[in-house]
Amino acid sequence: GQQVMQIPQYQHVQEGEDFTTYCNSSTTLSNIQWYKQRPGGHPVFLIQLVKSGEVKKQKRLTFQFGEAKKNSSLHITATQTTDVGTYFCAGPDSNYQLIWGAGTKLIIKP
Amino acid sequence: KAGVTQTPRYLIKTRGQQVTLSCSPISGHRSVSWYQQTPGQGLQFLFEYFSETQRNKGNFPGRFSGRQFSNSRSEMNVSTLELGDSALYLCASSHGGYNEQFFGPGTRLTVL
Repeated sequence: GQQVMQIPQYQHVQEGEDFTTYCNSSTTLSNIQWYKQRPGGHPVFLIQLVKSGEVKKQKRLTFQFGEAKKNSSLHITATQTTDVGTYFCAGPDSNYQLIWGAGTKLIIKP
Repeated sequence: KAGVTQTPRYLIKTRGQQVTLSCSPISGHRSVSWYQQTPGQGLQFLFEYFSETQRNKGNFPGRFSGRQFSNSRSEMNVSTLELGDSALYLCASSHGGYNEQFFGPGTRLTVL
């Protein structure tokens, strides 16, 4: 079946460093969504990308959707402690059900 | 508008028992999806209900079941609990299973 692979599983960064997580789908996606889950919390929707090659920014966060609509990335510039959490990507399959990546946990080194 | 609510927030059960979890979606949302999340694991999809019908189902045993009522509220039932069922159970509502998901705070189930 359709899979969405997300890497890395964990990323340790010093505060102020950049962070990137990548998603790759086995099939073309009609859209891709990104969510953030803070420690002890629940996933919260960040953004949805629909168009091939689309790039969207939210302050220090930059989201990209690949030209082939099979991959996506989330880049955070100059991480802050408030960025800590797990970032998930998700895209719909042929049954219009969301398929989720395993998530990337952002850890800020003390 | 009010967010997604889940009850109870915490639950402790013993092996062999059964449990029912409840989810009230955002007003106007007809889709409710259920997920299981264990420590260090991602979101494992259980099932999705839309207008009282199960539209999609994940790869979980038949001990896991659900239903949705005419007011879109949904319940999830787990029978014959096992230790491995200890997890955070999240429900999410949306206008459709592939649209932006609004998650509830979850029910943390501990099976002893």
